[in-house]
Amino acid sequence: GAGVSQSPRYKVAKRGQDVALRCDPISGHVSLFWYQQALGQGPEFLTYFQNEAQLDKSGLPSDRFFAERPEGSVSTLKIQRTQQEDSAVYLCASSFGTENTEAFFGQGTRLTVV
Amino acid sequence: AQSVSQHNHHVILSEAASLELGCNYSYGGTVNLFWYVQYPGQHLQLLLKYFSGDPLVKGIKGFEAEFIKSKFSFNLRKPSVQWSDTAEYFCAVSLMDSNYQLIWGAGTKLIIKP
Repeated sequence: GAGVSQSPRYKVAKRGQDVALRCDPISGHVSLFWYQQALGQGPEFLTYFQNEAQLDKSGLPSDRFFAERPEGSVSTLKIQRTQQEDSAVYLCASSFGTENTEAFFGQGTRLTVV
Repeated sequence: AQSVSQHNHHVILSEAASLELGCNYSYGGTVNLFWYVQYPGQHLQLLLKYFSGDPLVKGIKGFEAEFIKSKFSFNLRKPSVQWSDTAEYFCAVSLMDSNYQLIWGAGTKLIIKP
């Protein structure tokens, strides 16, 4: 497809379970971003990739969160030992260049930890 | 820490009414400014952006926004709303020293009554 694709769209995890969220950016986009959006809030920055290099991971809330983009295309956000406070929508975005002129967003993965 | 404030969390208008959604940011340096829209069930998409030049920016679907540097504001306007404008609207800012990272407001849910 032409847009950013995220899977799964919905994920229910039991507390303590590990989850992996996938993002397929627009082909050829250099930059990839992950954001976390809690209910009733705006998105919050998690991490930024330029090709395969993770240039900024300052927004990852704990060492249970890990992101990778090994071939500079598809990215995976992994959350280990999920906690209830991890429940949120996880948004992926990509942009063509290295500056945030226009980021294209996926529909997000809604994670519910029970 | 830098922040973005959207004054109204919910706005209800009738068709043909004029719209103004407020957005203020707290950062003294140079910023890039964005408005994103999320229609029901869809992904975030860019409505308009300001980087430099004319502080009155025109976007898609008849929306415009005015950057007033002295007020740290970037309010969104539309002279006559339509039912199809029902959506959630997010203001976002990127800072010149980390221009890949967007800082978001909490969003405004706009409902247009037919």
